[in-house]
Amino acid sequence: NAGVMQNPRHLVRRRGQEARLRCSPMKGHSHVYWYRQLPEEGLKFMVYLQKENIIDESGMPKERFSAEFPKEGPSILRIQQVVRGDSAAYFCASSPAGQAHEQYFGPGTRLTVT
Amino acid sequence: GENVEQHPSTLSVQEGDSAVIKCTYSDSASNYFPWYKQELGKRPQLIIDIRSNVGEKKDQRIAVTLNKTAKHFSLHITETQPEDSAVYFCAAETNDYKLSFGAGTTVTVRA
Repeated sequence: NAGVMQNPRHLVRRRGQEARLRCSPMKGHSHVYWYRQLPEEGLKFMVYLQKENIIDESGMPKERFSAEFPKEGPSILRIQQVVRGDSAAYFCASSPAGQAHEQYFGPGTRLTVT
Repeated sequence: GENVEQHPSTLSVQEGDSAVIKCTYSDSASNYFPWYKQELGKRPQLIIDIRSNVGEKKDQRIAVTLNKTAKHFSLHITETQPEDSAVYFCAAETNDYKLSFGAGTTVTVRA
């Protein structure tokens, strides 16, 4: 059973470009969570999604950031017009339905904005 | 919202000694407290967790204690080994899904 998959593992973008981060949950998991980790800091909750639904986006910056989890395919975290402050590791986690506390993390995408 | 504080930020111990990391939380509604270990450049991995109806839980060399009245919980690692060197994060869960993490403790086990 493959774990949570994220791609790309490393992403370099210039200021103003768009970044698209993908997350495929574990098989059988229908809930996805995105977290951001700044250097030498803990993980900060961004958004919680179920298939075709955003349940809680209270941790998402109000502008430039969006997330989706379509019926088919991976969850995508999209950052438009990236700035240097967006440089961070972005982790997604997944859990089975009804067991939201059992979150398994992916390997992360390290975004560098130059 | 929930606020989790974690201490110390760094911890250096001699191999074989014990390591203790402490966390406090603010939201009395939190009822699930996992601990994650993150090696450099790797994903956070759940190592142990505790629920609010339990005061202590042990798994081999790792134990976690919870004091709901005082709103603090601790991770204890006994007989530390070099492979225990990593960053450890505590977390508290609210709303049955939202994990709020501490800032992390970098543990270094000296051989």
